[in-house]
Amino acid sequence: GEDVEQSLFLSVREGDSSVINCTYTDSSSTYLYWYKQEPGAGLQLLTYIFSNMDMKQDQRLTVLLNKKDKHLSLRIADTQTGDSAIYFCAESNNAGNMLTFGGGTRLMVKP
Amino acid sequence: EAGVVQSPRYKIIEKKQPVAFWCNPISGHNTLYWYRQNLGQGPELLIRYENEEAVDDSQLPKDRFSAERLKGVDSTLKIQPAELGDSAVYLCASSLGTGTDNEQFFGPGTRLTVL
Repeated sequence: GEDVEQSLFLSVREGDSSVINCTYTDSSSTYLYWYKQEPGAGLQLLTYIFSNMDMKQDQRLTVLLNKKDKHLSLRIADTQTGDSAIYFCAESNNAGNMLTFGGGTRLMVKP
Repeated sequence: EAGVVQSPRYKIIEKKQPVAFWCNPISGHNTLYWYRQNLGQGPELLIRYENEEAVDDSQLPKDRFSAERLKGVDSTLKIQPAELGDSAVYLCASSLGTGTDNEQFFGPGTRLTVL
C-alpha cells in the first residue's frame, strides 16, 4: 500500500528558514498536502500541490515537489514561534477523498 | 461559520466498556470522514460517508466499531467493547464533496483513554 515518511523532529531558531521533508511511494499520487496540527487541535490545511507542478509559493510557504524521486518539501521562511506545531505530509490520488498521512514532523522554534 | 464540532473532547473509560463519539460537520458538507490518530502518528481513515452512505469502511474494525450518519448530517462512531489498544484521538473531518476543491476540514478530535 501507500507509504508516506517524514523525519520526526526539527528545531530551528526564530527568523531562520525551516525545511520539512517528506517521501512517498505511490507513483499515482495526484495531490500532495501539508497540514499543521497545534496541540489539542485538529489538522489545518496549509497548502497543497498538484503532481504536475514542481513548486508552489504561498506567502512564507514554499512547496517543492520532485516527482521522479517522490520527494516533497515544505519551506517556511522567517520561522516564528507560532509556527511550532506538528506538520503532516499527505498524499491522495483521487481529488482528496483518500488521504494517506505521514507520521508528522514536530517543529520546534526557539526564540 | 462554525467548524467541525466534536464531542466529547476527552473520554476515559475502562476496557470492555462501550463508548460513542459525535460529530457535526460544517453545514452543507456532504462528505464526512472518521480518522483515528495514534500517539505520534498521522491520522488513518476509518470510514468515509457520502451523505448517509458509507462509501469506504475498509479500515473500520467491524467486530467492535460501528458508525452511522442517519440523516446525512451528524455522525456517531461507536466502539463496543473498547480495548486498551483503542486509546487514540478520533478525528472527524468534512468536505463539500468530490472534485478538485475538496479540502477536508478537521474537528479538534476526541481523545480516548482506555484503562
